[in-house]
Amino acid sequence: QAVVTQEPSLTVSPGGTVTFTCGSSTGTVTSGHYPYWFQQKPGQAPRTLIYDVAERHSSTPARFSGSLLGGKAALTLSGAQPEDEAEYYCLLSYNGDWVFGGGTKLTVL
Amino acid sequence: QVQLVQSGAEVKKPGSSVKVSCKASGGSFTSYTINWVRQAPGQGLEWMGRIIAIVDLPKYAPKFQGRVAITADKSRSTVYLELTRLRSDDTAVYYCASEGGYWGQGTLVTASS
Repeated sequence: QAVVTQEPSLTVSPGGTVTFTCGSSTGTVTSGHYPYWFQQKPGQAPRTLIYDVAERHSSTPARFSGSLLGGKAALTLSGAQPEDEAEYYCLLSYNGDWVFGGGTKLTVL
Repeated sequence: QVQLVQSGAEVKKPGSSVKVSCKASGGSFTSYTINWVRQAPGQGLEWMGRIIAIVDLPKYAPKFQGRVAITADKSRSTVYLELTRLRSDDTAVYYCASEGGYWGQGTLVTASS
């Protein structure tokens, strides 16, 4: 089974920009992996931010954007807010089978 | 907009089974693919399997093969996850989630003697 890798942790200053990445053990991440990005805060269900590489989910703030970058899926947060402090998970689809990354803990400091 | 509403928390003995439901609304049920994802305390998200409602075709993650069953009742617009031979490490919040990124609220399953 494929392994999906994410940075364990990232830190960003309020108002700053940070990029999360999501890699695949099988090679280059493509649009055919339909990358998703989720935000999860303690005690809450995951919230979908991005699906299909770059599509914003309903109510996803415009400061979140998705892309493919250097063979990986990427989530960029531009203009970080204190409320963006959370765990972020990516998901790749392998012929319909989902594989999650281990998550990235974002600190806004 | 798709809404997924799950059944309530369960406490089960190790070795028993649990069945969690996920009722969908806001779209055409038969067009859904519903996935089941779980999250153990303090851990990440883990995919368990999915069902394509229109053809009633399930697919399971290898780790759960033989111990999990995902079924769909089109008349009730509801998908079910049944996990058998529960162990203490099956204690987790279980989520249903659709293609397109809609999530249920989660169901806490506690497997404890």
